[in-house]
Amino acid sequence: AQSVTQPDIHITVSEGASLELRCNYSYGATPYLFWYVQSPGQGLQLLLKYFSGDTLVQGIKGFEAEFKRSQSSFNLRKPSVHWSDAAEYFCAVGAGRDDKIIFGKGTRLHILP
Amino acid sequence: GAVVSQHPSRVICKSGTSVKIECRSLDFQATTMFWYRQFPKQSLMLMATSNEGSKATYEQGVEKDKFLINHASLTLSTLTVTSAHPEDSSFYICSALYPLAGSYEQYFGPGTRLTVT
Repeated sequence: AQSVTQPDIHITVSEGASLELRCNYSYGATPYLFWYVQSPGQGLQLLLKYFSGDTLVQGIKGFEAEFKRSQSSFNLRKPSVHWSDAAEYFCAVGAGRDDKIIFGKGTRLHILP
Repeated sequence: GAVVSQHPSRVICKSGTSVKIECRSLDFQATTMFWYRQFPKQSLMLMATSNEGSKATYEQGVEKDKFLINHASLTLSTLTVTSAHPEDSSFYICSALYPLAGSYEQYFGPGTRLTVT
């Protein structure tokens, strides 16, 4: 069974600083990987996904993530964060394109002015 | 893009009563929908997979007799919380599989906040 670990519950960065959110997955085959963002009182929004191909994936809002099979990781990065990026970020893994998605526990991002 | 709606957005019910939550795919047909629950400041936990015209597949530990799922049409899945208790208070989120360029993408509804008093 697939599982996802997000080791950081909270992350605080200054506005304009770079960001990296960690995600490790466990799955026997090639996983389908996702990053979602949830703002307070809002629904989930897909930032990016990896199914196959180029291991560096570009997403919306200036985010990118890199799939590293050797490390079973799919870390999310952004070169310069904005105050509006403060939210909860979820890494998720699926067994197939039309399969259920299993979510990590989430990382709450705080932005210092 | 694909839109998934949920109704109601918030509901308060008394302990022992049942409440129905609707999940609709507004501009596409979804043969598969998923139901999640999210406790405050926690992650989304998958409850069940809902397939149109067939019985839902429940995750381990989810009571199928308590959380009734019906996917009677290609645009509507419902979750009924029967004999609700305060511990069922949670944020319930549905998602629908949207066919996209030979593949699928999962779109999420805005969620329903259930409070059982």
